[in-house]
Amino acid sequence: GAVVSQHPSWVICKSGTSVKIECRSLDFQATTMFWYRQFPKQSLMLMATSNEGSKATYEQGVEKDKFLINHASLTLSTLTVTSAHPEDSSFYICSALRPGAGGDTQYFGPGTRLTVL
Amino acid sequence: QQQVKQSPQSLIVQKGGISIINCAYENTAFDYFPWYQQFPGKGPALLIAIRPDVSEKKEGRFTISFNKSAKQFSLHIMDSQPGDSATYFCAASRGFKTIFGAGTRLFVKA
Repeated sequence: GAVVSQHPSWVICKSGTSVKIECRSLDFQATTMFWYRQFPKQSLMLMATSNEGSKATYEQGVEKDKFLINHASLTLSTLTVTSAHPEDSSFYICSALRPGAGGDTQYFGPGTRLTVL
Repeated sequence: QQQVKQSPQSLIVQKGGISIINCAYENTAFDYFPWYQQFPGKGPALLIAIRPDVSEKKEGRFTISFNKSAKQFSLHIMDSQPGDSATYFCAASRGFKTIFGAGTRLFVKA
């Protein structure tokens, strides 16, 4: 299957600092990537859809000024959690949409565990 | 409606048994139905997927059954193994829009 990487896999930061998470599609070009948040024992919650070269589309209730998304190339999207607070602690997962003859397939990264102290 | 209802919430199966997880959707516009497997602390991994033009798809021990008229689809894991213990998510999507089920935590007893 396709490979999507995330970096870092985990990060601990102090309240008020900003954290950047990278998502890369390693073996295909992805014009569209997604950012999800997952709380323990819950399903994935879509935060935003990231399109290469344009502004991200945020889901209702997600603060675009707090969760900055940049999709500068066909293989890289970044999520920056600005002025992080303890309530932002969560598991953040990206995915990339790989085009195919039979339709597009979504492949997920391994996730990033963010802990804000 | 955009919901995807998944059941059961949790499932315990004996090694060698069949694990069955069910999902139901409401929006007939969905045209792609994947299943993802997630281990603790890891991202979801695509397991198997089906499009509504077929009623069944099998890959190894994993089979999707799809009932278009009932708007239901299910995952069958044959000869379940302890290594299959994970959380499974069904999903329904069209284009950029994907709706996930709530997940099923499967535990396969050795």
